[in-house]
Amino acid sequence: EEQLVESGGGLVQPGGSLRLSCAASGFTFSYYNMNWVRQAPGKGLEWVSHISSSGSTIYYPDSLRRRFTISRDNAKNSLYLQMDSLTDGDTAVYYCAREPTSKKYYYTMDVWGQGTTVIVSS
Amino acid sequence: DIQMTQSPTSLSASVGDRVTITCRASQSITPYLNWYQQKPGKAPKLLIYAASSLQSGVPSRFSGSGSGTHFTLTISSLQREDFATYYCQQSFSMPRTFGLGTKVEI
Repeated sequence: EEQLVESGGGLVQPGGSLRLSCAASGFTFSYYNMNWVRQAPGKGLEWVSHISSSGSTIYYPDSLRRRFTISRDNAKNSLYLQMDSLTDGDTAVYYCAREPTSKKYYYTMDVWGQGTTVIVSS
Repeated sequence: DIQMTQSPTSLSASVGDRVTITCRASQSITPYLNWYQQKPGKAPKLLIYAASSLQSGVPSRFSGSGSGTHFTLTISSLQREDFATYYCQQSFSMPRTFGLGTKVEI
């Protein structure tokens, strides 16, 4: 079964840091681009970051560029998100999502993890 | 950034109804439009990609159409398990952007 499992969420104080992980199984991780998407309580989905299959191409929305860092370790089938200078606006469920590299799938996100919860509060 | 506008924000329908949700993009994105379903406390699930392609395993009562800036998701005969929030998303360019969602209440 193709699966993504996030971990690393928790309670952190404003200004603090947290590193999220996403473990992939059931498919060849290195063949896929990956994304992080978050959802604040009661709100919609917000795309957070993208990394290409090799890790050579990375994107962020302008609002997060200086505080969040995406990375991956294909040998460990793992995706990461380093989050620094956290504010209460970063409180959300964070999902990792797989994106096929082939253009015939139109860069959709076809497999999602169950999410990990980040709460930023003093 | 490409803005995605969904309507309605919410709707109430009965089992067996035909339901249509609309998504408009701020610029042409054909055919890079995807639809996701999210149930409370669960991760989003891909329903439709490339505007009209049904993801494997998704019931055929779901369909997508549209081009340019105007897209629709249709549920031909609403079932109880379709109670959920539906999001459109463009994969035409970065940053990826989602609509605000449409909550379907049975």
